[in-house]
Amino acid sequence: GQNIDQPTEMTATEGAIVQINCTYQTSGFNGLFWYQQHAGEAPTFLSYNVLDGLEEKGRFSSFLSRSKGYSYLLLKELQMKDSASYLCAVRDGSWGKLQFGAGTQVVVTP
Amino acid sequence: DGGITQSPKYLFRKEGQNVTLSCEQNLNHDAMYWYRQDPGQGLRLIYYSQIVNDFQKGDIAEGYSVSREKKESFPLTVTSAQKNPTAFYLCASSNPDSRRYEQYFGPGTRLTVT
Repeated sequence: GQNIDQPTEMTATEGAIVQINCTYQTSGFNGLFWYQQHAGEAPTFLSYNVLDGLEEKGRFSSFLSRSKGYSYLLLKELQMKDSASYLCAVRDGSWGKLQFGAGTQVVVTP
Repeated sequence: DGGITQSPKYLFRKEGQNVTLSCEQNLNHDAMYWYRQDPGQGLRLIYYSQIVNDFQKGDIAEGYSVSREKKESFPLTVTSAQKNPTAFYLCASSNPDSRRYEQYFGPGTRLTVT
């Protein structure tokens, strides 16, 4: 079966760094996505990894290890607006269908 | 501006009534998806469509139906057979020509059935 695990909630202080881990066991692998979702809103795309290694985009970075079935999203210089749910999703087939984790709620405190 | 629209944002219905949620996109994407999101849970796939006049069941299709008569439109009907219809419903689309098949989401419809 498909299994994507991420922590339920993380709390960090404004200006700090937070790392959200995601482990997956899927029938196939064709890329891993991270989305940000503010309460009551649509998820928005943050990052995509298909090869092993680190992808950096401003304050956000994402890492992938396919052999370990593991990814993380790193949020640096946290801002209050980063308080949101972060969703890990795996594309397990040859086209667009995604399997989503339950999401990690990040709470940024002053 | 290209994007996905869902209407209405909030929808209230009585138990036993069917209700149709609209989803329209002007991104010229071939693939479209419907997800359901419940508190504390991730997105669960209801139905998806790779191309006009074709659609497949996702992981939780029971009690739902869809149609895909036009590329731009993918309406979802929540039938009275759906046991727990109250949820946040998200529509998405993706472009198969994009290497990533990145999904773009609409703003969602929050359905409450009493």
